[in-house]
Amino acid sequence: ETGVTQSPTHLIKTRGQQVTLRCSSQSGHNTVSWYQQALGQGPQFIFQYYREEENGRGNFPPRFSGLQFPNYSSELNVNALELDDSALYLCASRSSGGGSYNEQFFGPGTRLTVL
Amino acid sequence: GDSVTQMEGPVTLSEEAFLTINCTYTATGYPSLFWYVQYPGEGLQLLLKATKADDKGSNKGFEATYRKETTSFHLEKGSVQVSDSAVYFCALSDSGSARQLTFGSGTQLTVLP
Repeated sequence: ETGVTQSPTHLIKTRGQQVTLRCSSQSGHNTVSWYQQALGQGPQFIFQYYREEENGRGNFPPRFSGLQFPNYSSELNVNALELDDSALYLCASRSSGGGSYNEQFFGPGTRLTVL
Repeated sequence: GDSVTQMEGPVTLSEEAFLTINCTYTATGYPSLFWYVQYPGEGLQLLLKATKADDKGSNKGFEATYRKETTSFHLEKGSVQVSDSAVYFCALSDSGSARQLTFGSGTQLTVLP
């Protein structure tokens, strides 16, 4: 069973640029969430996708957007990058339905540096 | 909104010492509670969970009890090992459809031989 994978591992961009991060969910998982983890902080929820639709969003501006594909993989897009966007971006997948709790499995993350 | 307050670190212990990391939360409704661990260069791993009041989560010698009356979920281990060195995050999940996780700020644990 393949776990959650993310690409790229590291990325350096300059302020104002756009970036796309990718995530492949764990086999059998249909729900993907994205989190931003600033240095020395806990992860913060950006949004979640289920059946290719966004079904939950945290306190992030519209320049953070995403997609989920039919194979349940996902992309996170950030436009007009700002210095404060420098962080580790974590993807998590889980299955939905059946039971009251479905564990989220996290990928290793993409480290984004904005100069 | 929901929030998690976690004991500030870093925490440095000698091998075989007793560990407590405090965690308290604020939430509406009846959240599920979690402890995650993050080893250097790796993603988050679920360490243990509790989904209702008085539940005790346990794994790898770590334990935490869901205390609704004190809104707490403190992490404990009787005898830490060098391999336990990592960052520990307390988190809660709401009962809504998104079940997003709200994390504390993390506690860096270093265990010395």
